[in-house]
Amino acid sequence: SQTIHQWPATLVQPVGSPLSLECTVEGTSNPNLYWYRQAAGRGLQLLFYSVGIGQISSEVPQNLSASRPQDRQFILSSKKLLLSDSGFYLCAWSAGGPEQYFGPGTRLTVT
Amino acid sequence: GIQVEQSPPDLILQEGANSTLRCNFSDSVNNLQWFHQNPWGQLINLFYIPSGTKQNGRLSATTVATERYSLLYISSSQTTDSGVYFCAGHQGNMLTFGGGTRLMVKP
Repeated sequence: SQTIHQWPATLVQPVGSPLSLECTVEGTSNPNLYWYRQAAGRGLQLLFYSVGIGQISSEVPQNLSASRPQDRQFILSSKKLLLSDSGFYLCAWSAGGPEQYFGPGTRLTVT
Repeated sequence: GIQVEQSPPDLILQEGANSTLRCNFSDSVNNLQWFHQNPWGQLINLFYIPSGTKQNGRLSATTVATERYSLLYISSSQTTDSGVYFCAGHQGNMLTFGGGTRLMVKP
């Protein structure tokens, strides 16, 4: 069966510091991968998605970037965090079809 | 893009009661999903339901794509049903979420 991991689970970072969040999927090959952000407990917003290694599509221009260095690894990064980057970050995967499955999330607080 | 609206935004139930959550979407969507977000933030897949009716235990869902709405039914609610329920509509690779219904089930 497929599983999706995210780490860290929680993170507190000062403004201006860099960020790296990691997502990995097990038990499937060539998944579509997605990064979402949820602010204030409602409304998930799609940030990035990837259909293959090195292929990244951005849905919202912002202070963040994404990379896919391996087939089942998706990384969310920032060079300098802003207060507005605080939120709950969720990674998801799909097997090429539309149904998406979500990881446990990373709760980021920028202070 | 599509828009997804959910109602009601908040719902309080006594344990054992039934409820219906509604999801309206503005344009034709290819597929629709329902999720439950538990108090720890985990999004749990409930239904993948582009059309028709599905049931899973005390939960069932109906999507009428031609009329652009979906309904989630919760019967005999339990305290563990508490959390936020999201519907989300697919259009291509995009999954657009509604604002959610926050459900609290009281013992």
